[in-house]
Amino acid sequence: GENVEQHPSTLSVQEGDSAVIKCTYSDSASNYFPWYKQELGKGPQLIIDIRSNVGEKKDQRIAVTLNKTAKHFSLHITETQPEDSAVYFCAASNLEYGNKLVFGAGTILRVKS
Amino acid sequence: NAGVTQTPKFRILKIGQSMTLQCTQDMNHNYMYWYRQDPGMGLKLIYYSVGAGITDKGEVPNGYNVSRSTTEDFPLRLELAAPSQTSVYFCASSYSSRPYEQYFGPGTRLTVT
Repeated sequence: GENVEQHPSTLSVQEGDSAVIKCTYSDSASNYFPWYKQELGKGPQLIIDIRSNVGEKKDQRIAVTLNKTAKHFSLHITETQPEDSAVYFCAASNLEYGNKLVFGAGTILRVKS
Repeated sequence: NAGVTQTPKFRILKIGQSMTLQCTQDMNHNYMYWYRQDPGMGLKLIYYSVGAGITDKGEVPNGYNVSRSTTEDFPLRLELAAPSQTSVYFCASSYSSRPYEQYFGPGTRLTVT
């Protein structure tokens, strides 16, 4: 089955700097890669996703890149702000098999002001 | 529109006790899921349901049971609680047409001692 590894486990950046979180997946059949943000005391919330037919996707200060050959994808947050502090999870899925997401272990992002 | 709601928020159980974690969604989603989140381990799928009366096992179903009698509700039952079931439990839901975009509840923190 699919296995998703996520690095780093914790990341501290200064406000205004960029943050990058990386994930690798094992199943070459996976074709959908969402990123979730979990704030303290809340459930995860989908913030951006990418499909395997796209190499990069941007939404304001966040972007996700995908390298299918190397089977890894990354979340990039630019101009970080204190409200970006949260736990971020990557996940992988095969759209043909619908609903099952396999999650990475999570990255605690701290933005220092 | 409350989204996905879970009760209780916190619970302490003694070994061998039983309890039901409640989950309700008001978005008319067909698909619902139960995950557990352990420190440093990401989210693991326990059970899921693609509609009323239909449930299936996820990655870690042992020690749990579910039922889905209505579209809105998806309770998770713990029988004979064990310390290994100490975790944070999240319920999620999604549209059948977009099963990979999951909406999460706020979670239930369960401690078994």
